[in-house]
Amino acid sequence: NAGVTQTPKFQVLKTGQSMTLQCAQDMNHNSMYWYRQDPGMGLRLIYYSASEGTTDKGEVPNGYNVSRLNKREFSLRLESAAPSQTSVYFCASSEALYAASTTQYFGPGTRLLVL
Amino acid sequence: QKEVEQNSGPLSVPEGAIASLNCTYSDRGSQSFFWYRQYSGKSPELIMSIYSNGDKEDGRFTAQLNKASQYVSLLIRDSQPSDSATYLCAVTLTGGGADGLTFGKGTHLIIQP
Repeated sequence: NAGVTQTPKFQVLKTGQSMTLQCAQDMNHNSMYWYRQDPGMGLRLIYYSASEGTTDKGEVPNGYNVSRLNKREFSLRLESAAPSQTSVYFCASSEALYAASTTQYFGPGTRLLVL
Repeated sequence: QKEVEQNSGPLSVPEGAIASLNCTYSDRGSQSFFWYRQYSGKSPELIMSIYSNGDKEDGRFTAQLNKASQYVSLLIRDSQPSDSATYLCAVTLTGGGADGLTFGKGTHLIIQP
């Protein structure tokens, strides 16, 4: 089992460029999440998908869009990148059927630099 | 506004001693509580989860939850240099759903050999 995988690992963008961060999980989990981590700010939730076919905004959704392509895959799109979106992006997944299964498992992260 | 507060540290502990990490949360509706460990440049890794008041032990780690006082703690016994990392406290409202986690900013723990 690979767990949660993310591509790419690193990316440099110019202001205004667009890109899509990919995430896939092989644990048959129902729920998937996108977080960003900035120095001094901790991890903050961008968007999540409680189940296939649904998506919801988190704490910091502005400037992002998401697609739950199927049960395995959840992508994050930056339509017009800004320097404020320079961050490390983590995808996570969770079985999330009941309280004891809400543990989230994280991918290795994507380091994004917007110039 | 849900908030999770942790002392950012660094917390320096001698090898072999007990490291004590604390976390408070603002939302009384929080139901699930987690401690993650994060090494520099790596992703968060689950250490402990706890859902009811009291203590939960797993090897050298003990999580403690007090919902009345709204705090969660993590004790690491017989601390090892490999325990040096940032420890993230996280909570969620859900009792069975799929809400995202609210994280504290983390406590940087240093185990001195």
